[in-house]
Amino acid sequence: GNSVTQMEGPVTLSEEAFLTINCTYTATGYPSLFWYVQYPGEGLQLLLKATKADDKGSNKGFEATYRKETTSFHLEKGSVQVSDSAVYFCALSGYNFGNEKLTFGTGTRLTIIP
Amino acid sequence: NAGVTQTPKFQVLKTGQSMTLQCAQDMNHNSMYWYRQDPGMGLRLIYYSASEGTTDKGEVPNGYNVSRLNKREFSLRLESAAPSQTSVYFCASRSPPQGEQYFGPGTRLTVT
Repeated sequence: GNSVTQMEGPVTLSEEAFLTINCTYTATGYPSLFWYVQYPGEGLQLLLKATKADDKGSNKGFEATYRKETTSFHLEKGSVQVSDSAVYFCALSGYNFGNEKLTFGTGTRLTIIP
Repeated sequence: NAGVTQTPKFQVLKTGQSMTLQCAQDMNHNSMYWYRQDPGMGLRLIYYSASEGTTDKGEVPNGYNVSRLNKREFSLRLESAAPSQTSVYFCASRSPPQGEQYFGPGTRLTVT
């Protein structure tokens, strides 16, 4: 079945540092890939997505590239801010129409210190 | 532009009490989902509904029932609450064709 493995947290960085959160997946077919962000006390928000190999999703300075050869979708940001402190979830959705469920990683808690 | 709404935001129950969590979406999505989120556990799927009139079990359905009342609304019922059901509950709906899901703000449930 489908699975997502993401970097164990927590991750603590200083403001303006470079961020990478690793995510790898196992899936049949051609899944769509997502990063979600959850701020304290809130629901999950879609951060970015990529739907086919070599696609790059981007939003709010975050980027992730769909790498089929390495089955990876690592999240990066060049210069993090205190406001980026949150929990980040990698997820995949199967391409086949009948597969209607998202598979999530366990989440990575990110804390940015000033 | 409400997206996915959930009520209530917070609830405290005593063991054995029942309650229904309400969820509605205004995006005309066919598929809707209920998840629970426990510390350190990520999200676990309780039930989902691929379309109006259909529901299916997820990973952790025991102790829960659901109703897909119409295309907009998907409710989750706890018939006899237990302390193990203390959690944050999220409802979501799915946007075709890529399958991203949009989440509500959550219901924080404590069972004492």
